[in-house]
Amino acid sequence: QVQLRESGPGLVKPSQTLSLTCTVSGDSISSRGFYWSWIRQRPGRGPEWIGCIYYSGSTYYNPSLKSRVAIALDPSKMKFSLNVTSVTVADTAVYYCARGDTMRPHYDYWGQGVLVTVSS
Amino acid sequence: QSLLTQPPSSSAAPGQRVTISCSGSTSNIGSNDVYWYQQFPGTAPKVIIYKSDQRPSGVPDRFSGSKSGTSASLAISGVRSEDEADYYCAAWDEGLIGPVFGGGTKLTVL
Repeated sequence: QVQLRESGPGLVKPSQTLSLTCTVSGDSISSRGFYWSWIRQRPGRGPEWIGCIYYSGSTYYNPSLKSRVAIALDPSKMKFSLNVTSVTVADTAVYYCARGDTMRPHYDYWGQGVLVTVSS
Repeated sequence: QSLLTQPPSSSAAPGQRVTISCSGSTSNIGSNDVYWYQQFPGTAPKVIIYKSDQRPSGVPDRFSGSKSGTSASLAISGVRSEDEADYYCAAWDEGLIGPVFGGGTKLTVL
């Protein structure tokens, strides 16, 4: 059974960097063909794709966030991470990590989500 | 403002059939498959329809999906109280070069 779990600070100050980690169990993060994604959901809104990283290390980002986002893979630790720089209150959201077998929005496994609040 | 438009709410009595719409454009639904997610409060979304009309194993056959042109629909026949949830459509967008989600429809079972 594949499981994903997000971890990181629940409170970040404006202008600082939001950093989250997703720990994967039950599957190799280096398994061929999988995309490991970050998706967020702001209060009362639909999910928003942030970006993803392929098992090979190639990254793909939402153009609206690309200048502030970085996703990295750490296969040895079965983790992948998300950094969002220069955060504002608009970045307050529940952040999810998820696994997909294509870049299409077909995510078969999700983490439970972590609420990140941007506030001074 | 999402690229995929859904009605914010819908309601149905138990046993009725309900349809949730998702309107897009030629850059997303018009040229790509649609995915539907079900989300209960405090939990992650779960895919219930993929590739426009396919059901993952374990999803009841009362859920069905269809697509025509730049619109898609999720139908639930014989609605049950446990179907009360938020539903989101999603599709690849050629302009964004990435996936987009609808704003969601809250289904209330009366």
